[in-house]
Amino acid sequence: SAVISQKPSRDICQRGTSLTIQCQVDSQVTMMFWYRQQPGQSLTLIATANQGSEATYESGFVIDKFPISRPNLTFSTLTVSNMSPEDSSIYLCSVVPGQGLRQETQYFGPGTRLLVL
Amino acid sequence: GQQLNQSPQSMFIQEGEDVSMNCTSSSIFNTWLWYKQDPGEGPVLLIALYKAGELTSNGRLTAQFGITRKDSFLNISASIPSDVGIYFCAGASGTYKYIFGTGTRLKVLA
Repeated sequence: SAVISQKPSRDICQRGTSLTIQCQVDSQVTMMFWYRQQPGQSLTLIATANQGSEATYESGFVIDKFPISRPNLTFSTLTVSNMSPEDSSIYLCSVVPGQGLRQETQYFGPGTRLLVL
Repeated sequence: GQQLNQSPQSMFIQEGEDVSMNCTSSSIFNTWLWYKQDPGEGPVLLIALYKAGELTSNGRLTAQFGITRKDSFLNISASIPSDVGIYFCAGASGTYKYIFGTGTRLKVLA
């Protein structure tokens, strides 16, 4: 399995500001994803972070609001831009190692809890 | 986005009881994963299933990949208080993109 860390673990932000969340993996992985989990809800995929190219966004999510970077195979960032209270959620980084027999297995980071006032 | 239906949505059980939950989809999947999420934490992978009919155990947990490839089941035997949490299923059909279930909230009464 992959060990995933996220920074910050939580934050309280003012509306209109932006927050960048970092995701670091202890090994090179094929795929990295960003999810949002609103209070009491399931997980919703925001985008697939592609190394060296623009992220692939799911319906309802746009690059201007959620810019993503992935400069290498172990690191990615998600920025939540121009925040509003509706952006208050847990943001989760996940990876698919893409190596070995169990290449399809997906692992999650501990999450970043964001509260926007 | 698209989600899988999990049942039940929530359940209260007595410590020591067995628990069953399931996940159904309108689409065929090639991989099923089951996760547990504790309050304030990220989901932790419990069991992964890769073949229709596969039955896999992890301690007191047993999960099955449905023969139709449109469903999966998770059983917890002899539940204990630390089993409390939210259990999510996730399915994928040949890509790395997983669809997540709506979650089953489990509460164990000591």
